[in-house]
Amino acid sequence: DGGITQSPKYLFRKEGQNVTLSCEQNLNHDAMYWYRQDPGQGLRLIYYSQIVNDFQKGDIAEGYSVSREKKESFPLTVTSAQKNPTAFYLCASSREARLNYGYTFGSGTRLTVV
Amino acid sequence: AQSVTQPDIHITVSEGASLELRCNYSYGATPYLFWYVQSPGQGLQLLLKYFSGDTLVQGIKGFEAEFKRSQSSFNLRKPSVHWSDAAEYFCAVGAGNTGGFKTIFGAGTRLFVKA
Repeated sequence: DGGITQSPKYLFRKEGQNVTLSCEQNLNHDAMYWYRQDPGQGLRLIYYSQIVNDFQKGDIAEGYSVSREKKESFPLTVTSAQKNPTAFYLCASSREARLNYGYTFGSGTRLTVV
Repeated sequence: AQSVTQPDIHITVSEGASLELRCNYSYGATPYLFWYVQSPGQGLQLLLKYFSGDTLVQGIKGFEAEFKRSQSSFNLRKPSVHWSDAAEYFCAVGAGNTGGFKTIFGAGTRLFVKA
């Protein structure tokens, strides 16, 4: 079955470390997105990519970086510059970049700073 | 400013009772409207969407939603709630032809179901 796979499900980061969250989709979707979810705040857009080798900052991109070298993959790196990284991170994809049919989401990665 | 408001942080409903979750939006262009559901520790799943046409849309799991342009609302309903419906529900609004990255999510409403 097609879908989005996020790994790992749980991730622990020490102060000053960079960590990378994986997101892979086999839906042949053009667009991919990273969201951060904090309790009571809904979802906030970190980065999005509408096509391979191109990506754009969302509303809260500071302290994060991404790459889109393959259509299927959109990894997110949480850098040491992100001062409050503890959150639930969700990767999503949509069929077309320009038309909004809604998202397919992965099951998320919970990142905790220790 | 574009925004989505879900006035109820949480709602408790008895199993078998009807459900209505409220959603109000502010959006300059013609809105595309969505409802998503999230079980604890999981990603979001699309329940239904409204683009145009009939203002009453049917979704998965027996849910429906009604678009009321005059009230800027897109409320989610279910005639009879099951215990498995306990989850968090998110309303979202976006543009139709400028890409999903302009989708705005509400803060969510957590549904509790009591036996």
